[in-house]
Amino acid sequence: AQKITQTQPGMFVQEKEAVTLDCTYDTSDQSYGLFWYKQPSSGEMIFLIYQGSYDEQNATEGRYSLNFQKARKSANLVISASQLGDSAMYFCAMREGRSSAGGTSYGKLTFGQGTILTVHP
Amino acid sequence: EAQVTQNPRYLITVTGKKLTVTCSQNMNHEYMSWYRQDPGLGLRQIYYSMNVEVTDKGDVPEGYKVSRKEKRNFPLILESPSPNQTSLYFCASSGRGGGRDNSPLHFGNGTRLTVT
Repeated sequence: AQKITQTQPGMFVQEKEAVTLDCTYDTSDQSYGLFWYKQPSSGEMIFLIYQGSYDEQNATEGRYSLNFQKARKSANLVISASQLGDSAMYFCAMREGRSSAGGTSYGKLTFGQGTILTVHP
Repeated sequence: EAQVTQNPRYLITVTGKKLTVTCSQNMNHEYMSWYRQDPGLGLRQIYYSMNVEVTDKGDVPEGYKVSRKEKRNFPLILESPSPNQTSLYFCASSGRGGGRDNSPLHFGNGTRLTVT
């Protein structure tokens, strides 16, 4: 069974500094995808970044990068140059890959418990 | 505009009164799912569907029903709501994902349900 763990219930960072949000996962699948979502106080879920299990390069999207260490089963999110608008809840998630009769891989997305990030001015 | 629409946004009801939360997506996605979000527990999957007429239980299916008669719609039904179903509910959809495919879930704006 899949498991996603975010060990930091809350994190604080000074504006313009970088912050790392931790995520570890456990799966027996060889093929899987890792995602990070942001949930501001307004409640919507915003997709930030994706890393595939076969990707050799760490994913980057603007100020977001994913520090993917496959052997350690960790997928930490790094936010550079934090902004006040980055204050939110952040969720790590994993999607298993499995084959259907048609040969396509898709499956369930499991979330971690979340980390609340607060950016101080 | 590509979106997942769920209604209502807020709902207060009483124990035992059947209710339906609607979810519709306009992206021709095959995969749809319902999650509930509770403090300290993150998002937990209730039911999901990989295509029309194909539904499967998630981690917390008890007390819920779903149907997938059309590709775009995936309603969540509470036949006899109880106070422990008070929660924030999200509907989400995606294309086929997993492995090399980047197919993030697109979320609706959430439904905050209170059962008294």
